[in-house]
Amino acid sequence: SQKIEQNSEALNIQEGKTATLTCNYTNYSPAYLQWYRQDPGRGPVFLLLIRENEKEKRKERLKVTFDTTLKQSLFHITASQPADSATYLCALEELTGGGNKLTFGTGTQLKVEL
Amino acid sequence: DTEVTQTPKHLVMGMTNKKSLKCEQHMGHRAMYWYKQKAKKPPELMFVYSYEKLSINESVPSRFSPECPNSSLLNLHLHALQPEDSALYLCASSQELQMNQPQHFGDGTRLSIL
Repeated sequence: SQKIEQNSEALNIQEGKTATLTCNYTNYSPAYLQWYRQDPGRGPVFLLLIRENEKEKRKERLKVTFDTTLKQSLFHITASQPADSATYLCALEELTGGGNKLTFGTGTQLKVEL
Repeated sequence: DTEVTQTPKHLVMGMTNKKSLKCEQHMGHRAMYWYKQKAKKPPELMFVYSYEKLSINESVPSRFSPECPNSSLLNLHLHALQPEDSALYLCASSQELQMNQPQHFGDGTRLSIL
């Protein structure tokens, strides 16, 4: 069966440290992988997108890697701040008969403590 | 504020009622989506419209009826819902229905079925 799992339900880290979130998938062949942030009571907000043939993508303090052999993506936030506290969702993009669709992972709730 | 506007923000309805959820975007996007999100779970795709035509229906029960009257508007008509349909309903849009397109989400309608 198809699964998209993110490393843990919750991750607590100290301010200033690097947060590393994991997204593992089975029985998918995604062409793209996207990362979103979701705050309580809000819709997801797009952060980064990476293609299957890209190893790494960066945007300010964010970095994403994509390893199609391991079927895994890592999402890093460097110099983390309390404002980075949120739920982070990975999403796989696949082409289906009706068009492309996003399937979301289980999410990781990140809490950055002072 | 998000660029995708959903109304109402909250809706409480009985199982015999008929109501509609509305979604509007003015970014010129030609693909629009409905997702359902239960508490502490990821968003799940329900419907996708591309150029006002239904492209993907993820085997959603017929008590949910989508409509795309024009390129800026997306409705979800609700009738005879069940208590298990209580959830956050998210609308999203993207420039086109093709790969490599981030999705822009509204903040959702929180629906409670009595």
